[in-house]
Formats: sequence, C-alpha cells, structure tokens
Amino acid sequence: DQQVKQNSPSLSVQEGRISILNCDYTNSMFDYFLWYKKYPAEGPTFLISISSIKDKNEDGRFTVFLNKSAKHLSLHIVPSQPGDSAVYFCAAPRSNTGNQFYFGTGTSLTVIP
Amino acid sequence: DTGVSQDPRHKITKRGQNVTFRCDPISEHNRLYWYRQTLGQGPEFLTYFQNEAQLEKSRLLSDRFSAERPKGSFSTLEIQRTEQGDSAMYLCASSWASGSSYNEQFFGPGTRLTVL
Repeated sequence: DQQVKQNSPSLSVQEGRISILNCDYTNSMFDYFLWYKKYPAEGPTFLISISSIKDKNEDGRFTVFLNKSAKHLSLHIVPSQPGDSAVYFCAAPRSNTGNQFYFGTGTSLTVIP
Repeated sequence: DTGVSQDPRHKITKRGQNVTFRCDPISEHNRLYWYRQTLGQGPEFLTYFQNEAQLEKSRLLSDRFSAERPKGSFSTLEIQRTEQGDSAMYLCASSWASGSSYNEQFFGPGTRLTVL
C-alpha cells in the first residue's frame, strides 16, 4: 500500500519561475515529513523537512507547506534554477518507530534555461 | 569524503548466484538502513540497525536476504540464489538518532544489481 503518493511523475518549469511539487499521504498518524532530491547516479540528499505542528517551513528558495486536513504537502522552489533539475521524493517516517521512511514515487523536475 | 559509501556501485550476476554488498556509514552515525529502489518507484525500506542490532525487517526482506552489521560499523547485505526480480538499486543510509526522534537519513550512491 502506497502511504505516500506523488501523482505527477514529471514537471517542466522555465528558469526563474516557481516549481510546485505535490505529495499526498494516507496515514493521519504521520507527524513529520521530508523532501529529498536525487540526481542520476547519486543517492537521495535531504532538502527540507516539516513537523506536523507547523504548516510552513522555509529554507532559502525552498518552502514546504503542509495541509493536515487535506493530508497534502507541497514543495515550492522560487526561483527555479537549472541545477534544480532532479527527481524529488517526499517521505514520512512511520510514527511508532520514527525510523522506517515511506517514500513517494518521485517527481522528475526539469528546469528549462 | 565523509559521506556514506557503498561497494560495488554496479553488480551484474546470473540468476541463482549469491551476491554481497557493503555499506560504510558516516562514522559517528549509530543507525544504518537498507532500502531497495526499482524503476519508477521511491526507495522501499528493507531493514535497519541500531549499532550492531538489527531492530526491524520489512516483509520485503525474504529468507534469501540477510544483513549484518558486525561491531556496529559497516554493514553487508547478502542475497542468496538471486532472482530476476531482485534487480534493483540497493541504497544504504545512516543517521544519528536517539529514542524515536526523527532524524535526516544520509544516503549512499547505491549499488545497482542486475540479475540476468
């Protein structure tokens, strides 16, 4: 069962514009979420996280928004840069252990120069 | 480079052969995780260690799979009698964590396994 879902396999955005990547989850017990970025031939690298006690977390050009009632989170990248082209995964730890991460299927972002 | 390293980066084997992968975590990290990633999917949890103890195993980890972390440092993942369905990227990650706190997991580059 896919507890974390990313329904858009790919997204293309012009350089300088906003990129919005979406993620939905089914388990209301999730209380922490992370975004990872993955370049080809590399492992995923941590980008930004958010606790369920917040509805927004910002780090430079990256902002994550959490809507608990809709079980939805989104990652905004403003302004988008060609170096942001990568696959983005959202993830949530299983609450009772905090260790097993559930990952979405990923969204491949292409930023067009 | 003090990141997570994995060896080999690529492995091609014939069905029925045994393979072993190695992961060296970030040295001060007490937790080590193994994930599997197939095409078009996100990483799927296989197992994790806290120090040398294997504390959790996914139902994805069949009897043909075994993982060890002797002395709480590096870890090995062995697959016996490989099947074509085992073809995937095997990712290792590590973190420093205490209790049930949520901590960022640092991933290695992965080992890509192809079973012919």
